[in-house]
Amino acid sequence: DAKTTQPTSMDCAEGRAANLPCNHSTISGNEYVYWYRQIHSQGPQYIIHGLKNNETNEMASLIITEDRKSSTLILPHATLRDTAVYYCIVAAGTYKYIFGTGTRLKVLA
Amino acid sequence: SAVISQKPSRDICQRGTSLTIQCQVDSQVTMMFWYRQQPGQSLTLIATANQGSEATYESGFVIDKFPISRPNLTFSTLTVSNMSPEDSSIYLCSVEGRGLVTNEQFFGPGTRLTVL
Repeated sequence: DAKTTQPTSMDCAEGRAANLPCNHSTISGNEYVYWYRQIHSQGPQYIIHGLKNNETNEMASLIITEDRKSSTLILPHATLRDTAVYYCIVAAGTYKYIFGTGTRLKVLA
Repeated sequence: SAVISQKPSRDICQRGTSLTIQCQVDSQVTMMFWYRQQPGQSLTLIATANQGSEATYESGFVIDKFPISRPNLTFSTLTVSNMSPEDSSIYLCSVEGRGLVTNEQFFGPGTRLTVL
């Protein structure tokens, strides 16, 4: 079973920040949090990952709570092209990913 | 990130036949992975394929049904054998990332298989 829980779907207005939450209450100390997105049944696209510090790259920001039991992916200015299914995954020392059901984000014009 | 291609991109097959899916990477990688994504579902790992060793299959997947080859560090194939309509899915390969500490993966575009 997946070690993460995400809302099934979310809407976001174009130009606004999209905040996608993920619960991973059973995360282990050496497990990283990874975020991927899948646009219309293409291969998943890597977005960002983190261990305990907040991370930012050109695509998104990742905020991890101090207890590491949850995280939030932030798309600062969502566009229509950000409409996708977003997956949060925790894994450590292995490439064995267990995908949950993800969050279907719809960006509205 | 690595550039990954898959062939075919899609196919429609008859029940009882087999299909071999190819995955090509533009650089040498140690680990390659095969996933299945059934209609409307999330991704499920089928097996891990390391060059020079037998593939490691996840629970619920067996070599007779999904034989895998990994002849070199840039190529792998997955065969879906004796197909039934339940095998209709998107099949994706992925490869390890370049991170020295972390374990990100990069995915191919997928092969959409329909079995009649």
